[in-house]
Amino acid sequence: NAGVTQTPKFQVLKTGQSMTLQCAQDMNHNSMYWYRQDPGMGLRLIYYSASEGTTDKGEVPNGYNVSRLNKREFSLRLESAAPSQTSVYFCASSEVIGGYGYTFGSGTRLTVV
Amino acid sequence: AQSVTQLDSQVPVFEEAPVELRCNYSSSVSVYLFWYVQYPNQGLQLLLKYLSGSTLVKGINGFEAEFNKSQTSFHLRKPSVHISDTAEYFCAVSVPYSSASKIIFGSGTRLSIRP
Repeated sequence: NAGVTQTPKFQVLKTGQSMTLQCAQDMNHNSMYWYRQDPGMGLRLIYYSASEGTTDKGEVPNGYNVSRLNKREFSLRLESAAPSQTSVYFCASSEVIGGYGYTFGSGTRLTVV
Repeated sequence: AQSVTQLDSQVPVFEEAPVELRCNYSSSVSVYLFWYVQYPNQGLQLLLKYLSGSTLVKGINGFEAEFNKSQTSFHLRKPSVHISDTAEYFCAVSVPYSSASKIIFGSGTRLSIRP
């Protein structure tokens, strides 16, 4: 009954460090997404994967890379973290691209100093 | 392209009072519409969705929303709010049957309930 699981929940990085945010879903969903949430800006799509083996850029992809490891897992990598990447990151999944609603993870709060 | 606008960034109301959170969308094709709720320090949870059919949609926790195609609106309502409804609410839109479709979120409305 886990749904979408994100790790870690909190992380502090120094500028220039790299890290990978992990996301796994157990609902057999085809599509997965990475969003960032910043105050007053709602959720902005970073990257998405419509199905296993495909990934595409969203609204704000610069500074990020993704890997759809298998149907369950979709990771987000910051190669060289910058203070502008301080944010809360959410992973989500859906049965098919766009519909019929997403299931979200509980988020990763990332601070880059 | 689709877009969604939430007209109020913050809505303060007294406990047991009614509330309406406003949402307008823009699209040249038919859309799916959603409302999500985010409680403090948590992820987003689907409150309700409109896919087709009846324009009045009922969701969890006593919330409902009405799809108005002519006004391009999808306002969220609750007749009597409780302290536990304090949260941020996001309206969202997507285009069905599109391989390139993703859900687009509004900027959110923070609902604060006063005792």
